[in-house]
Amino acid sequence: QVQLVQSGTEVKRTGSSVNVACKTSGGTFGNSAINWVRQAPGQGLEWVGGIIPIFRTTKYSQRFQDRVTITADESTTTAYMDLNSLRSDDTAIYFCARIPHWGYRWFDAWGQGTLISVSS
Amino acid sequence: QSALTQPASVSGSPGQSITMSCTGSRGDIGGSSYVSWYQQHPGRPPKVVIYDVDKRPSGISGRFSGSKSGSTASLTISGLQTEDEAEYFCSSHTSDNTYVFGSGTQVYV
Repeated sequence: QVQLVQSGTEVKRTGSSVNVACKTSGGTFGNSAINWVRQAPGQGLEWVGGIIPIFRTTKYSQRFQDRVTITADESTTTAYMDLNSLRSDDTAIYFCARIPHWGYRWFDAWGQGTLISVSS
Repeated sequence: QSALTQPASVSGSPGQSITMSCTGSRGDIGGSSYVSWYQQHPGRPPKVVIYDVDKRPSGISGRFSGSKSGSTASLTISGLQTEDEAEYFCSSHTSDNTYVFGSGTQVYV
């Protein structure tokens, strides 16, 4: 059974940075793709970006291209998302979501979500 | 990349069938075999119910089915049950090798 467990709630000031962790267990971490998807309060889902650990390749949404960095540590099967220059409209729940194999295109397992709250 | 367009809500009675749409463009749904649908109950993460347009993951009821025509994908829930009341999001892989989600459809039973 694949499980994705994320780090806890973050309260940040505008202009600062945040790092969120996503620890995976079960499945094959290296061959998968770990993505980050956010959901603002009462809103829909928005894809932020993703990484394929085995290739160390990343892809980001154009909206976040210059502010986000996604990394993965195969030794601990943990993925990370760094988001900088935070704004109030970055307030959202951030989910990590796994694609079971890098050749697939759907998210089969999700983390529980991490609330990032940004204010001045 | 703009969000895919979904109706805000769909409702049905227990036992009925409902269908919801998801409209995109040639750069996403119209040119992709990778459309998926996610069910989300309040306070919970999304859960996949359909992937690759019409495939069901293990453990998902056969009451869920998906299809696609041109740049519009559809999700049908037959034999509606109270536990199907949730928000449903479509998603498509895009020609830019990114992903786009729909605006979400609230299903009321």
